[in-house]
Parts: sequence; structure tokens; C-alpha cells
Amino acid sequence: KQEVTQIPAALSVPEGENLVLNCSFTDSAIYNLQWFRQDPGKGLTSLLLIQSSQREQTSGRLNASLDKSSGRSTLYIAASQPGDSATYLCAPAGGATNKLIFGTGTLLAVQP
Amino acid sequence: DTAVSQTPKYLVTQMGNDKSIKCEQNLGHDTMYWYKQDSKKFLKIMFSYNNKELIINETVPNRFSPKSPDKAHLNLHINSLELGDSAVYFCASSQGTQFEQYFGPGTRLTVT
Repeated sequence: KQEVTQIPAALSVPEGENLVLNCSFTDSAIYNLQWFRQDPGKGLTSLLLIQSSQREQTSGRLNASLDKSSGRSTLYIAASQPGDSATYLCAPAGGATNKLIFGTGTLLAVQP
Repeated sequence: DTAVSQTPKYLVTQMGNDKSIKCEQNLGHDTMYWYKQDSKKFLKIMFSYNNKELIINETVPNRFSPKSPDKAHLNLHINSLELGDSAVYFCASSQGTQFEQYFGPGTRLTVT
């Protein structure tokens, strides 16, 4: 059974810092891994999708890496801004139906 | 141009009632999902349909019944509502089961 852990659970940083969010998963037999952000009271916004054959994926100030064999993914946010404040969720997908299993999230607060 | 939409956004009802939540996507996707986010913000998949066929059916009480009239719609009907059903329900869609999932804004269900 896939279990997903995200560290840290909460993070508060001043604006402009570079930061790393960590995700670990117990079953390395995944097809892909997706990173989302969730703003309070809102739905999930997809940030990046990494296929299992890829090592990393970049979108603007975001870079996600995947080390499938060790069961880890990291989300790197460069030059953080107050608008980045949200909960970040990682979700590896696996099995015949490729269902997403969500982590508990990292609550990020970027102080102006 | 809402990609994945849900109605209603909020639903307050009494125990024992029957209610439905509707989801529509205009992305041309063939796979749709229902997720539940509990009071601790933990997200878990409930059901998934691919081309109107049920492919994921997690351990969910049989009071919950999904219905997919066509590829663009996935509805969730809940019978005999209980206090523990209070949660935010998210609909999502993807093209096939291997690609990025896009989420709706959620329906906050409160059972009193």
C-alpha cells in the first residue's frame, strides 16, 4: 500500500528565498508523480507532472525532481513570493488504474 | 472558460437526506474522478470512470453511487447522509489514466 509523506508539514520564509519541499513514497512502482498547490477554500491546481522515466521537470520558478528508486521527489521554488503561499501536495500515481495517492501536504507561508 | 465545474459549491443538509453533486468537464477528457477531502485536509480517491466505465471503486459505503451519463459528466449521489459524510468533494478529469489530472473547485458538503 502506497504511503506518501511530505516534509516539512509547514514552512514560513521571507520573500525572495529559494526553498525545497520534500515528498517521499513507499512504493517505487509508480507511473508518474504530480505536484499540486491548494489555496484556502479552493480546488487543486496542477503545477508539474513528472513521468517515471524523467528525472526532473521545470515550469517557470518551479523545478521538480524525481528519484523513483529511492522513493523521493522534491519541489524547488526559486525566489519565493507572497503569492506562492498555499498548501503544496505531491501525489504519485501507480497501479493498473494509475490512481493518485496524496501526501499530507506542506503549508507554505511566504512573508512580504 | 471553466475546465472542470461542480454544482453546487456548497451543500448543507440534514442527516438521512439524499443529495447529488454534479461535475462537468469541457476539456475533452475521457477519464473522470471523485475525491473526498476530510476535515484534516487529507485527500483520497473514491471513484474513477474511463469512457463511462467504472475503473476505480475504493472502499466507499454503498450509499455513494457515481453515475457517468457521458464522458463529460460524472455525478455523485449520496443516500441516507451521515454526519461523517461532511467533507469537500472534488471532481477531476484527465485524458486517459496516465496523464495530468485537472481538478474542479470542490463542493463543501455539511451534514447537520
